[in-house]
Amino acid sequence: NAGVTQTPKFQVLKTGQSMTLQCAQDMNHEYMSWYRQDPGMGLRLIHYSVGAGITDQGEVPNGYNVSRSTTEDFPLRLLSAAPSQTSVYFCASSYSTGVDTQYFGPGTRLTVL
Amino acid sequence: GESVGLHLPTLSVQEGDNSIINCAYSNSASDYFIWYKQESGKGPQFIIDIRSNMDKRQGQRVTVLLNKTVKHLSLQIAATQPGDSAVYFCAESSRSYNTDKLIFGTGTRLQVFP
Repeated sequence: NAGVTQTPKFQVLKTGQSMTLQCAQDMNHEYMSWYRQDPGMGLRLIHYSVGAGITDQGEVPNGYNVSRSTTEDFPLRLLSAAPSQTSVYFCASSYSTGVDTQYFGPGTRLTVL
Repeated sequence: GESVGLHLPTLSVQEGDNSIINCAYSNSASDYFIWYKQESGKGPQFIIDIRSNMDKRQGQRVTVLLNKTVKHLSLQIAATQPGDSAVYFCAESSRSYNTDKLIFGTGTRLQVFP
């Protein structure tokens, strides 16, 4: 198993550009989520999904869209990038939302100029 | 690339010593807690968890202690090794053991010296 994979590893955008961060898992996990990690702050939940076709907002959803057309993939879209979205983004997955280990991807470091 | 802040509290220990990392939480309704380890340039990795109906849980070289009276959580690492150098942070949930909306702490950097 590859676990949770994320692409790209690094990305630089200009303000106003759009892009999609990719996340995939091969563990047949139902639950997937996106977090951002900023200096001096804990991980903050952006969006999550409890299964294909179901998504919901987390703590900081503004400026981001998600979709879950398959169990394996959970892309995060930045519609119009802003410098405030400069961060490291982590995707995570787990079998369920119960007491179950979440597996994190390696992260995408995004810089918005 | 590092993925955590430059001004994290830091714990420096000598190889072979025991380490204790602390975490305070504010929500008295939190019923499930997790400790994660994050090495530089990597995603967080699950270490150990504990439910609120317990006050201690042990794993391999790690022990988590929960004091609900003062809303305090600690992670003890026995015989600390250089490979333990990382940022450690706790996460809590108040959703009846559900992990869909975890609240994460900011973390403590552990540095292990030979």
